[in-house]
Amino acid sequence: DVKVTQSSRYLVKRTGEKVFLECVQDMDHENMFWYRQDPGLGLRLIYFSYDVKMKEKGDIPEGYSVSREKKERFSLILESASTNQTSMYLCASRVTGYEQFFGPGTRLTVL
Amino acid sequence: QQQVKQSPQSLIVQKGGISIINCAYENTAFDYFPWYQQFPGKGPALLIAIRPDVSEKKEGRFTISFNKSAKQFSLHIMDSQPGDSATYFCAASSTGNQFYFGTGTSLTVIP
Repeated sequence: DVKVTQSSRYLVKRTGEKVFLECVQDMDHENMFWYRQDPGLGLRLIYFSYDVKMKEKGDIPEGYSVSREKKERFSLILESASTNQTSMYLCASRVTGYEQFFGPGTRLTVL
Repeated sequence: QQQVKQSPQSLIVQKGGISIINCAYENTAFDYFPWYQQFPGKGPALLIAIRPDVSEKKEGRFTISFNKSAKQFSLHIMDSQPGDSATYFCAASSTGNQFYFGTGTSLTVIP
């Protein structure tokens, strides 16, 4: 079974803090994704990566950056957390084809 | 704007009944239409997906109906069970990297 793990299930941070969300997949997938999920808005793509050190912006990249130094690990960085970044963050990965495998999510609260 | 519109927002069905969730899209370049199922505290998981060259796909109790001319697709859950209670998301993609998700339908199946 494909396994996508996220470093934290719940996270509480203060406004202005730098926040790191980590995602690891164990299936040697080329492509990895970061989404945020908000009620009434569904899932929205923040960034994706199709190879080590390669990244592309999604629909809502503002206020976020990403890092992919190793194939299995994809990090989402909030440079200066704000209250409007309080959300559920979901990581996903895929190899060929279109099927994405999602992690369990990190619920981030910014106070 | 919302690339994929999903309805209803919530649905209550009796055990044994049929659950129907609808989605509509505008971009005719989309060529992959998945449905995801999400239980509380879990990430979304692929349930069933369809390509636009077929009008229907069935997997067990789950069926996707696809109407290319109307740019609509729907999920039918036959013989709905309490264990089907979850949030369902439709999505669409033309590249396998950029996915556009609907806003989700919360399904409750009453025993």
